[in-house]
Amino acid sequence: GAGVSQSPSNKVTEKGKDVELRCDPISGHTALYWYRQSLGQGLEFLIYFQGNSAPDKSGLPSDRFSAERTGGSVSTLTIQRTQQEDSAVYLCASSHPDRVSYEQYFGPGTRLTVT
Amino acid sequence: TQLLEQSPQFLSIQEGENLTVYCNSSSVFSSLQWYRQEPGEGPVLLVTVVTGGEVKKLKRLTFQFGDARKDSSLHITAAQPGDTGLYLCAGVEYGGSQGNLIFGKGTKLSVKP
Repeated sequence: GAGVSQSPSNKVTEKGKDVELRCDPISGHTALYWYRQSLGQGLEFLIYFQGNSAPDKSGLPSDRFSAERTGGSVSTLTIQRTQQEDSAVYLCASSHPDRVSYEQYFGPGTRLTVT
Repeated sequence: TQLLEQSPQFLSIQEGENLTVYCNSSSVFSSLQWYRQEPGEGPVLLVTVVTGGEVKKLKRLTFQFGDARKDSSLHITAAQPGDTGLYLCAGVEYGGSQGNLIFGKGTKLSVKP
């Protein structure tokens, strides 16, 4: 079956420009997560959506970062006025609502390079 | 302070050797997961452990959850080059925000033929 998909797979942008990253979760998964992973590092939690509840935005590093989820499915992570320190791999994951342990299924990520 | 500490950070071994990687915390977790991530891909779930003292086996991989649910280990027997990757542990903190999966920084394993 279809897994989590993300687009674009790679994005190179100039400092100061805005970027949008897209995530299509697994059908039926009501939970959706965004993470950031710097080179060789672990995952940094950014934001979490669960159904129609207000998202948990506690991991967003600054107000330049925002995310929305339309119709409980596709999500877009927007980074405004990009900085070089925003360069990283942005991973999206989704989770089935019945899994108490919130096992997550990840997409391949979007590699963002800010020049 | 990292809530989940993984060790070692890097491990380079020869094919056929055994190895153990550790995931430790001072906090109690209601469940703990292990993922493997290969270059250019997202992490892939290997196993979930939920009961203190639980042991799960996945072919040559053995996972254990500590009795107090504060730590976990992953043991690989007779490692193969295909085991190369970044191994991440992640857990849901007991009483923590639902769905907020906390990740360790990972153990980067390289198995040389």
